[in-house]
Amino acid sequence: SAVISQKPSRDICQRGTSLTIQCQVDSQVTMMFWYRQQPGQSLTLIATANQGSEATYESGFVIDKFPISRPNLTFSTLTVSNMSPEDSSIYLCSVDKTGGTDTQYFGPGTRLTVL
Amino acid sequence: QKEVEQNSGPLSVPEGAIASLNCTYSDRGSQSFFWYRQYSGKSPELIMSIYSNGDKEDGRFTAQLNKASQYVSLLIRDSQPSDSATYLCAVNRSGGYQKVTFGTGTKLQVIP
Repeated sequence: SAVISQKPSRDICQRGTSLTIQCQVDSQVTMMFWYRQQPGQSLTLIATANQGSEATYESGFVIDKFPISRPNLTFSTLTVSNMSPEDSSIYLCSVDKTGGTDTQYFGPGTRLTVL
Repeated sequence: QKEVEQNSGPLSVPEGAIASLNCTYSDRGSQSFFWYRQYSGKSPELIMSIYSNGDKEDGRFTAQLNKASQYVSLLIRDSQPSDSATYLCAVNRSGGYQKVTFGTGTKLQVIP
């Protein structure tokens, strides 16, 4: 498995502002993923973040709204930009440590409320 | 058709009974299948993975896979109130994308 931490654990933000979420892993991993889980819903993949390359975004998600950084093999950030109440959600990072079996382990999540 | 389908529940079972959770998927090329448990307000926790047809047992949990029918299930024996949670089925995407798709989850309630 993996020990994954996220900061902040929760935040309340004003409309139009931006929030950067940090994800730290206890060991080096190639692939990190960012998900969104809206209230009562399942997980939706936002993007895949590989070290040394641009993040790959899923349909419906764009870099201007959700810029991602991956400066090294243990850390990534997701920024939620120009927030609106529709961005209120839980944001989760996950990692695949298994080298090819697609097994993902999740961080504790960041609960975001936009007023 | 959704990529990964689950009955949202809630599925209510008495304590000590067997809980049966089901999942169907649409991608015939999928090779990796996962069950996650998610308690309210917490992040998903991996409980089982299965890659080949048949049954895989781990303690009180048994995962069953039938690729021909595109069906994966999770059995929980001797259900406990602490098993009350939402169970998410996840299936990898074929084509080397190294991504998984999650179902919407089944909420399980174990009644003492």
